[in-house]
Amino acid sequence: QQQVKQSPQSLIVQKGGISIINCAYENTAFDYFPWYQQFPGKGPALLIAIRPDVSEKKEGRFTISFNKSAKQFSLHIMDSQPGDSATYFCAALTGGGNKLTFGTGTQLKVEL
Amino acid sequence: SQTIHQWPATLVQPVGSPLSLECTVEGTSNPNLYWYRQAAGRGLQLLFYSVGIGQISSEVPQNLSASRPQDRQFILSSKKLLLSDSGFYLCAWSVRLRVEETQYFGPGTRLLVL
Repeated sequence: QQQVKQSPQSLIVQKGGISIINCAYENTAFDYFPWYQQFPGKGPALLIAIRPDVSEKKEGRFTISFNKSAKQFSLHIMDSQPGDSATYFCAALTGGGNKLTFGTGTQLKVEL
Repeated sequence: SQTIHQWPATLVQPVGSPLSLECTVEGTSNPNLYWYRQAAGRGLQLLFYSVGIGQISSEVPQNLSASRPQDRQFILSSKKLLLSDSGFYLCAWSVRLRVEETQYFGPGTRLLVL
């Protein structure tokens, strides 16, 4: 029940295309959903996050779509660029909790 | 602003040797602190977390231990390293008692056990 399932494991997108990464969860106590971006050899960095009281959050080219009834959320990267090539992790947190539950990660490669 | 430091950045150790990785946080008080391990091309495995000095919760039984001797210092240790301890070790911190306890990660330590 604590798992966050992430797909796909890897993704190749052409420059200018849309990258979509999906996550699903079971624990309805989760109420905060951040996405992290990790470049090789670096620690993950917070990219964007959403609470379940909204269905969408957009920051620049990055958008989180959230479907509370389906218990799914996704990251969309518009106009994908080679500099977006990284590993992306979704995560979930219970209110007042001390631990994040992470997805297994998606390796994104944006080709020219 | 808050910063998190980890050292060393890379470490090569023989099997059976001891380990000590250090993490310190600046610019915040009473943080939650976390140790993660990331195997090559894999996800993040939470090893330990701490909500205060001397308070350590272990997530996975293993060859490692953690200590928090000061409010903003978190140490990962082992008495005898195994080959399977190789990986990328990440320290993270979060603000306590906040609804959105997003974690912020350090730069990591790459450990290779030979």
